[in-house]
Amino acid sequence: AQKVTQAQTEISVVEKEDVTLDCVYETRDTTYYLFWYKQPPSGELVFLIRRNSFDEQNEISGRYSWNFQKSTSSFNFTITASQVVDSAVYFCALSAQGGSEKLVFGKGMKLTVNP
Amino acid sequence: EADIYQTPRYLVIGTGKKITLECSQTMGHDKMYWYQQDPGMELHLIHYSYGVNSTEKGDLSSESTVSRIRTEHFPLTLESARPSHTSQYLCASSETGTGALLYEQYFGPGTRLTVT
Repeated sequence: AQKVTQAQTEISVVEKEDVTLDCVYETRDTTYYLFWYKQPPSGELVFLIRRNSFDEQNEISGRYSWNFQKSTSSFNFTITASQVVDSAVYFCALSAQGGSEKLVFGKGMKLTVNP
Repeated sequence: EADIYQTPRYLVIGTGKKITLECSQTMGHDKMYWYQQDPGMELHLIHYSYGVNSTEKGDLSSESTVSRIRTEHFPLTLESARPSHTSQYLCASSETGTGALLYEQYFGPGTRLTVT
């Protein structure tokens, strides 16, 4: 069975603070993919990143960075120098061949960045 | 930018009415999905399709039905709406990968349904 846990449900920070969103996953498959999505107040889910289980390199994209560690089954997301526009709900998700390729989402984490 | 569209964006309707939520994508994706999102934010897969004439029920039981007659179109229908159907409905699509390759899903803007 696949499972994604986002232990934090809500975080509030002040602009320019760094914030890390935790994601822990469970799967018995050796081949799987991890994703992060952003859902701003408008409601649409925006794809941020996809990472496969064979690629443990961390990734940086502007103020966003992702830390994938298979040893701890974690795929954490850090926003550096947060901005008000980063306020959204963030979802971590997992997809694996053994799960018929369906996305399994975490429960989401609401980030509020205050000016 | 994803080219996936949903209409209507907002719908308020009375109990017992039949409704169809439209979803279309112009990316030629074979895979399409419907999710229901409750007020607590959690997303639940209710239907999916891996191609024309293929539909499957998702992990959350739903009284809705879907059809996939054309690749680009994946409408969801409720024969008789009830207040318990009030929710946000999100449509998504993805490419089909070869072998073990899995692609991300792209989401539409959602339909917020309220049944009174």
